[in-house]
Amino acid sequence: GAVVSQHPSRVICKSGTSVKIECRSLDFQATTMFWYRQFPKQSLMLMATSNEGSKATYEQGVEKDKFLINHASLTLSTLTVTSAHPEDSSFYICSGTSQNTGELFFGEGSRLTVL
Amino acid sequence: AQKITQTQPGMFVQEKEAVTLDCTYDTSDPSYGLFWYKQPSSGEMIFLIYQGSYDQQNATEGRYSLNFQKARKSANLVISASQLGDSAMYFCAMREGGRGFKTIFGAGTRLFVKA
Repeated sequence: GAVVSQHPSRVICKSGTSVKIECRSLDFQATTMFWYRQFPKQSLMLMATSNEGSKATYEQGVEKDKFLINHASLTLSTLTVTSAHPEDSSFYICSGTSQNTGELFFGEGSRLTVL
Repeated sequence: AQKITQTQPGMFVQEKEAVTLDCTYDTSDPSYGLFWYKQPSSGEMIFLIYQGSYDQQNATEGRYSLNFQKARKSANLVISASQLGDSAMYFCAMREGGRGFKTIFGAGTRLFVKA
């Protein structure tokens, strides 16, 4: 299957700082990328859908000013958690959809811990 | 609105036996795709199997098969000849419409394989 690389895999930051997570599709062009959040022992909750070159579509209840998503190219989408607080600590996973097959490929996930 | 339900929080199975993980869904879109993913403790999402709403036959991938009952809106995953390495979280997911449409996940089922 195709490869989606997510970085960093783990990050610890102080409360009030911002953290950027990158999601790259290494061997395919992802016109659409999805960002999910997963709390311990829970399911993946869709946060937003990002389309290359346009604004992201956020799910209900997700603060767009807090979780900034940028999808500037067909191979890169970024999620920036602004002014992070301890309650933002979670596992964030990105996924990309192949233009050709429509299959969903996941990154390795990023575990954010806000102190 | 689309909805995915996994009613089994946890399942036990004896090594080498088969196990069925339940999944029901609800959608008004005639075109949709159903997925199963495995998530081990490392957190990565591993694609297992896919079933399209218009597929006439049940999908199979090695030891994994999907029991697709469209009228009942169920898409149960059957794992044959369970192995110790199958112990993980399993998520059922659904995507409505086209390739760029969002995919939502069920709550997950934790599978424990006993030696």
